[in-house]
Amino acid sequence: EAQVTQNPRYLITVTGKKLTVTCSQNMNHEYMSWYRQDPGLGLRQIYYSMNVEVTDKGDVPEGYKVSRKEKRNFPLILESPSPNQTSLYFCASSLKGQGAPGELFFGEGSRLTVL
Amino acid sequence: GESVGLHLPTLSVQEGDNSIINCAYSNSASDYFIWYKQESGKGPQFIIDIRSNMDKRQGQRVTVLLNKTVKHLSLQIAATQPGDSAVYFCAEKTRYDDYKLSFGAGTTVTVRA
Repeated sequence: EAQVTQNPRYLITVTGKKLTVTCSQNMNHEYMSWYRQDPGLGLRQIYYSMNVEVTDKGDVPEGYKVSRKEKRNFPLILESPSPNQTSLYFCASSLKGQGAPGELFFGEGSRLTVL
Repeated sequence: GESVGLHLPTLSVQEGDNSIINCAYSNSASDYFIWYKQESGKGPQFIIDIRSNMDKRQGQRVTVLLNKTVKHLSLQIAATQPGDSAVYFCAEKTRYDDYKLSFGAGTTVTVRA
């Protein structure tokens, strides 16, 4: 089954404790992206990757890091989480870019709470 | 500034009626638009897309209309069903960047039995 898998789905952590949210896709997609979703703000792009070893900042990259060492994986790293990073995070992938043709497939989401 | 926004944050619809969800955009360079559906506890799912060289596109029970003159986009759902209850997002990209999608805040659609 074609899918984007995120882990963990739920996490409560404390300020400053490094964490990684993993994302893996099994569709051989070139493009992967991370979004955060906050009430009233919709989805905002954090980082994206056009291919292996190619990443770039989205609209809200501060406080986050990413890496793309393999095509299927695109982990999101919070080196020193802060309460304002409490959010619902989505990983997404597509075959080629975000524009047409390039339907984005989303993971189920990771709800992160930073105390 | 550039933005994608929805007219109403919530919409209540009687089962069997047609639903219309609206979205406004401000960037004249926007050339591609997508509608996503997000059910509770799940990630967004692609519904339908439309390029800026089109005015209308139809899918299964859904129609997207694009009015470039007033920078308005709408999603029409025919014969709304309980399974259509979800949050609906419009998203757009500009011709300058295929890698950047801007999402609206979403409209929550509730279907009344």
